[in-house]
Amino acid sequence: GQQVMQIPQYQHVQEGEDFTTYCNSSTTLSNIQWYKQRPGGHPVFLIQLVKSGEVKKQKRLTFQFGEAKKNSSLHITATQTTDVGTYFCKGGSEKLVFGKGTKLTVNP
Amino acid sequence: GAGVSQSPSNKVTEKGKDVELRCDPISGHTALYWYRQSLGQGLEFLIYFQGNSAPDKSGLPSDRFSAERTGGSVSTLTIQRTQQEDSAVYLCASSRWTGEKAFFGQGTRLTVV
Repeated sequence: GQQVMQIPQYQHVQEGEDFTTYCNSSTTLSNIQWYKQRPGGHPVFLIQLVKSGEVKKQKRLTFQFGEAKKNSSLHITATQTTDVGTYFCKGGSEKLVFGKGTKLTVNP
Repeated sequence: GAGVSQSPSNKVTEKGKDVELRCDPISGHTALYWYRQSLGQGLEFLIYFQGNSAPDKSGLPSDRFSAERTGGSVSTLTIQRTQQEDSAVYLCASSRWTGEKAFFGQGTRLTVV
């Protein structure tokens, strides 16, 4: 199945700072999905991007799919303590194989 | 049901014993996935069922692990002769079909002592 590399592995920010995590693939992806896992919880679906260059927003979260459909990013503006968790991406339409995730911690 | 249900939520077993973990997917979902997540780690793919097709077992770490899905609904993950390294949270997910957004259960925390 398709594999994606996710960076950074960890990110610690002060509350109010912005945060970005990236997913990169060596092959063209048919789509990309993003999930969030709160500490002690299970992954929860956030969004799916399908089109080249697509940008979607959910409140303070902005998701982008690259023009070549090989990379994606999740950007959080003005982080809050509720944003704490691990963000996973999953590329392609095959079995659900996830990136290793970016663990975000927020210092209040 | 309203969501993906997994049981038990916690399981403590002795090394060498067999365990069965159960997953009840969302009604009508044709795709079902099992993952393993060790403490602080990512999601390790184990096995994938899609409808009546043969399951994709490529992620199973050893022949001690097996899974079945009866009637296209409930799935059971069996671990034989458990080892301490099997200790992890086992997550099940389902989706309407392959590639659709997945819904995860709460997981089963397995501890092998």
